[in-house]
Amino acid sequence: DTEVTQTPKHLVMGMTNKKSLKCEQHMGHRAMYWYKQKAKKPPELMFVYSYEKLSINESVPSRFSPECPNSSLLNLHLHALQPEDSALYLCASSQDLPRYGYTFGSGTRLTVV
Amino acid sequence: AQKVTQAQTEISVVEKEDVTLDCVYETRDTTYYLFWYKQPPSGELVFLIRRNSFDEQNEISGRYSWNFQKSTSSFNFTITASQVVDSAVYFCALSEAQRGAQKLVFGQGTRLTINP
Repeated sequence: DTEVTQTPKHLVMGMTNKKSLKCEQHMGHRAMYWYKQKAKKPPELMFVYSYEKLSINESVPSRFSPECPNSSLLNLHLHALQPEDSALYLCASSQDLPRYGYTFGSGTRLTVV
Repeated sequence: AQKVTQAQTEISVVEKEDVTLDCVYETRDTTYYLFWYKQPPSGELVFLIRRNSFDEQNEISGRYSWNFQKSTSSFNFTITASQVVDSAVYFCALSEAQRGAQKLVFGQGTRLTINP
């Protein structure tokens, strides 16, 4: 299995809702990432988990809450989002060294109304 | 901090033309990794190539080729005999170490349109 699976593919949520994005990989990768991509922009790093511990938080607002329950699973909990948070959210995984590359999921397209 | 610059925002060519996408990077690390990804309209990032800083050999894969030059900090990507299916946004990226973890920093991307 050489894939990163993200669910759901599309999500529409209101500003008062609570929702979660899910990311799963079974490649034995020990680092997992959340990226946010706005239209016509490059992906921007949000969080990095390394060996199930949060290693990097790129000053992301607290309305985004990551969770890594185990080495295969990464969640992003969403609460009280704003319309400007609408974006494509990409999950990626990698071995702990970059020479093995990064594998990206197909993303969740989030719309906040 | 590391930086990746893709100066070409958009390129449009006619099918079968050759096209080169430029990438210039900045880093203080002596060991680093460079990547190219393709992002079609569906949104997924498709891995194309990885190159480490110690390997300056150019690489060819079918119609794709990459030219890595450390002296000019460039890692350019050429598509030969372009096809409509090559239309996508292409990102050059640099992997850097930060706080004990690795992260991938992307350039702004080049939107490539191949017209029939």
